[in-house]
Amino acid sequence: GAVVSQHPSWVICKSGTSVKIECRSLDFQATTMFWYRQFPKQSLMLMATSNEGSKATYEQGVEKDKFLINHASLTLSTLTVTSAHPEDSSFYICSAANPNEKLFFGSGTQLSVL
Amino acid sequence: SQQGEEDPQALSIQEGENATMNCSYKTSINNLQWYRQNSGRGLVHLILIRSNEREKHSGRLRVTLDTSKKSSSLLITASRAADTASYFCATDGPRNTNAGKSTFGDGTTLTVKP
Repeated sequence: GAVVSQHPSWVICKSGTSVKIECRSLDFQATTMFWYRQFPKQSLMLMATSNEGSKATYEQGVEKDKFLINHASLTLSTLTVTSAHPEDSSFYICSAANPNEKLFFGSGTQLSVL
Repeated sequence: SQQGEEDPQALSIQEGENATMNCSYKTSINNLQWYRQNSGRGLVHLILIRSNEREKHSGRLRVTLDTSKKSSSLLITASRAADTASYFCATDGPRNTNAGKSTFGDGTTLTVKP
């Protein structure tokens, strides 16, 4: 089956630094990818829709300047958490849609900001 | 708003018993997927069931889909302690409404006691 690779699996950083998370579709071209955030013991919340070659669409309440999304190729979307602060600590996960609109998910990134 | 809603929120059973979790959704879907998440880990894809399918099996897992009731169930037979995890359903919608966004339910936390 299709594989979506997300990297890194976990990251610990100091407050004020920026962190980049990559999401790759390994065996299909993904025109659309999605980024989610999950707080402990809660469900996943959709943050934004990443469209190849165009600007991402952010969900209400998500700061686009804080969470920069780049989808420069059909196999790679990146989420950069800029000037991370402890309240940004969370579990981030991506999903990718193949041309048949089937969705496949990455394994997630646990971000801890000290 | 969340599309999928799982119930129960938490389920505790003895090893060897069957576990049934339900998911309800509100709008039309292309497919529905069930995922498993161990605490602090990424999501593991379990089963995808398409909107034109009614039942699907994978090992000890059985998923049903009733599009008339907009609901799905996940049955885990002969449960094991290792099945302890949170289980989420995720739906993606038709192209002409929500552009394939996948929405997660709140999840069911399953505890299997040895």
